[in-house]
Amino acid sequence: GENVEQHPSTLSVQEGDSAVIKCTYSDSASNYFPWYKQELGKGPQLIIDIRSNVGEKKDQRIAVTLNKTAKHFSLHITETQPEDSAVYFCAASSNDYKLSFGAGTTVTVRA
Amino acid sequence: GAVVSQHPSRVICKSGTSVKIECRSLDFQATTMFWYRQFPKQSLMLMATSNEGSKATYEQGVEKDKFLINHASLTLSTLTVTSAHPEDSSFYICSARKQGGPDTQYFGPGTRLTVL
Repeated sequence: GENVEQHPSTLSVQEGDSAVIKCTYSDSASNYFPWYKQELGKGPQLIIDIRSNVGEKKDQRIAVTLNKTAKHFSLHITETQPEDSAVYFCAASSNDYKLSFGAGTTVTVRA
Repeated sequence: GAVVSQHPSRVICKSGTSVKIECRSLDFQATTMFWYRQFPKQSLMLMATSNEGSKATYEQGVEKDKFLINHASLTLSTLTVTSAHPEDSSFYICSARKQGGPDTQYFGPGTRLTVL
């Protein structure tokens, strides 16, 4: 099955700086890569996703890049704000729609 | 929008009792719903895939007789934890995929189950 690895496990950044989270996956058949933000005691919230026919996608301060050859994808958050503090999960799925999640990254934005 | 609700948000029960958790897609029809389990400070683990009108597909290691799933309509799936024990205490989260839509999954707010 799919194995998704996520790094780093924790990330502390100064407000206004950028945050980068990286994930790798094992199944070359994976074609959908969403990123979720989870706040304490809540369900995950989709923040951005990318499909295998695209190399990069951006939505305001958030961007995701995908390298299918190397089987890795990354989340970039620019101009971080305190409200960006949360746990972020990457995930991957193929045509069976089952999501395999990374272990999560706890992001802390210092004011 | 794509809103998924869960009920209850938290439940405390005695060991040996059964607990039902509902997952509803409020503004779309969901052919497929998924049930996840999340332990503190850990990632989400897929328990089962629920398809409307058919039997759920369980992941390896998940007991289908203990975690009963029913997907009776395109907007409702239920998870029943039967004969709950303290080790079943966890955060249970459902997600839904839009009928005819892409593979995007929309997650519910989760249900915190505590078994005494």
